[in-house]
Amino acid sequence: DTAVSQTPKYLVTQMGNDKSIKCEQNLGHDTMYWYKQDSKKFLKIMFSYNNKELIINETVPNRFSPKSPDKAHLNLHINSLELGDSAVYFCASSQNRDSLSSYNEQFFGPGTRLTVL
Amino acid sequence: EDKVVQSPLSLVVHEGDTVTLNCSYEVTNFRSLLWYKQEKKAPTFLFMLTSSGIEKKSGRLSSILDKKELFSILNITATQTGDSAVYLCAVPVQGAQKLVFGQGTRLTINP
Repeated sequence: DTAVSQTPKYLVTQMGNDKSIKCEQNLGHDTMYWYKQDSKKFLKIMFSYNNKELIINETVPNRFSPKSPDKAHLNLHINSLELGDSAVYFCASSQNRDSLSSYNEQFFGPGTRLTVL
Repeated sequence: EDKVVQSPLSLVVHEGDTVTLNCSYEVTNFRSLLWYKQEKKAPTFLFMLTSSGIEKKSGRLSSILDKKELFSILNITATQTGDSAVYLCAVPVQGAQKLVFGQGTRLTINP
């Protein structure tokens, strides 16, 4: 069974469109994330949700709106798509531990390759 | 600003060679450093390092951390074509909830 799944795997769309990417995890984790990986393979965090609450919001344009209907899902909606949005978007999840722990291992989904034409 | 820098960005070697990948970091409240391997899809976890001088080993891969000089290295001995991948270094920040990644090293092993 896939631990962290994303749909779709590939998304090709025109500039100006609105699109959504869905993410689901069946690991029972409390925290979910969205990362963007550009063409140079640089992976950068966009958002983090803990128990459906937004805890990290990097300097991402407000055209990007994450939504977490429950702990197992974190969807990413993007309005008015631009060429620069083309990238691979990764969802990840981790089990929330207290902030003194060294690290909450993050499990990544397979990624969604978004191409904006 | 928290920063993780990897070098080299790209490395091409022959099968059987040994490679060393570098990762340096500047973060506040350092707790640990992580190495990931990314082939075609999602990054997969390799190592977590928290203490200086203690080598972590998994088969032909090993890694060590130097908290005084703020860097880590990942060694791969007797490389195989299956080791070809992008290797990512990351450091958790902000209460370990956020990972800051380096740019990655693209390793290509030629037969």
